[in-house]
Amino acid sequence: EAGVTQFPSHSVIEKGQTVTLRCDPISGHDNLYWYRRVMGKEIKFLLHFVKESKQDESGMPNNRFLAERTGGTYSTLKVQPAELEDSGVYFCASSTVWTEAFFGQGTRLTVV
Amino acid sequence: ILNVEQSPQSLHVQEGDSTNFTCSFPSSNFYALHWYRWETAKSPEALFVMTLNGDEKKKGRISATLNTKEGYSYLYIKGSQPEDSATYLCASILTGGGNKLTFGTGTQLKVEL
Repeated sequence: EAGVTQFPSHSVIEKGQTVTLRCDPISGHDNLYWYRRVMGKEIKFLLHFVKESKQDESGMPNNRFLAERTGGTYSTLKVQPAELEDSGVYFCASSTVWTEAFFGQGTRLTVV
Repeated sequence: ILNVEQSPQSLHVQEGDSTNFTCSFPSSNFYALHWYRWETAKSPEALFVMTLNGDEKKKGRISATLNTKEGYSYLYIKGSQPEDSATYLCASILTGGGNKLTFGTGTQLKVEL
């Protein structure tokens, strides 16, 4: 069974540009989470989808971040325009109801 | 407790030592507590999912206990090995919270020879 996959694995963009991160959850997992780890600090919650609906987006830092999960399958996280402080590793995880979360390998975003 | 808190923040032990860390979480509306192991340059991997008060789970040299009434969980590692070096994360799920996982800040363990 394929795990959670994220694309790209690395992205280096200039301040002000746009970047879109993609997450393909494990097939059949209704829950999809986005988390961010900045500068080796703790992992911070961004948002949570249940199928295609945003269940909780309280962790989204500001309106430069937009997440979508059309059709309840893969999800995208767009940062527009990117700022220096957006640099970090963005993790996606998926789960069925009430089971452990399976994480992708992360996308390392560097904004220069 | 309003958030998920872990202590200590970091820990250095010698090979062969046994060690334990703490996760504190909101006890009201509790549903589940997860433990994850996160090695550098990898993604977190689940160790345990615990739901019942008094639960004890074990995987090899690693075990965990759960007290939902007072809102804490302990993770124990017996006879630490260098390969146990990692960050250990706990995360709680509350009922009515849409099963959102809320992570603690983690305990960074380094096992030295």
